[in-house]
Amino acid sequence: DAKTTQPTSMDCAEGRAANLPCNHSTISGNEYVYWYRQIHSQGPQYIIHGLKNNETNEMASLIITEDRKSSTLILPHATLRDTAVYYCIVRVGGSNYKLTFGKGTLLTVNP
Amino acid sequence: ETGVTQSPTHLIKTRGQQVTLRCSSQSGHNTVSWYQQALGQGPQFIFQYYREEENGRGNFPPRFSGLQFPNYSSELNVNALELDDSALYLCASSHLAGGGDTQYFGPGTRLTVL
Repeated sequence: DAKTTQPTSMDCAEGRAANLPCNHSTISGNEYVYWYRQIHSQGPQYIIHGLKNNETNEMASLIITEDRKSSTLILPHATLRDTAVYYCIVRVGGSNYKLTFGKGTLLTVNP
Repeated sequence: ETGVTQSPTHLIKTRGQQVTLRCSSQSGHNTVSWYQQALGQGPQFIFQYYREEENGRGNFPPRFSGLQFPNYSSELNVNALELDDSALYLCASSHLAGGGDTQYFGPGTRLTVL
């Protein structure tokens, strides 16, 4: 699985959009970009995933660059409950491959 | 539809003992993966079970073993516990079919080895 690079930490004001970047310059053509988050001492929560097109669901939007070497997770209106560690993971989809977690980005939403 | 559940929530053991952790997969899922998360680190893959067979293993010694049952629930067994085994143990279930295999995690079991 390709490696990812994320900032160690980010801050965001409550009510504003949180934009979390991820670099995955060695991604392969059959690898998806997955995002999970983990609120302190809880199990990771699946957020969204995509291959090449931008994706949106009720939680977030995922913007993938045309060359697929980077992506951005967007939380449109961050709340205090969005404070968590966010993990960007690339893996082959449809294969039961393991998830390889890095250290993620600690997003702190401030009032 | 019930999510992934794990038991127990917390567990305290002493070095050298054995422990069994349990995971019930989400309804309709046929795969369970186990991860270990040490304090301050991201989860590390232990192994995966697909249709009752081990389907991949991470860099963990043989004293970490597992089972998957016909109802797709799973157990993680750790023998000869060491202090470094203290961690949050997570299971994730998924369903491999038609390209959809997103893993959904349970709340975890916090194991403390004294």
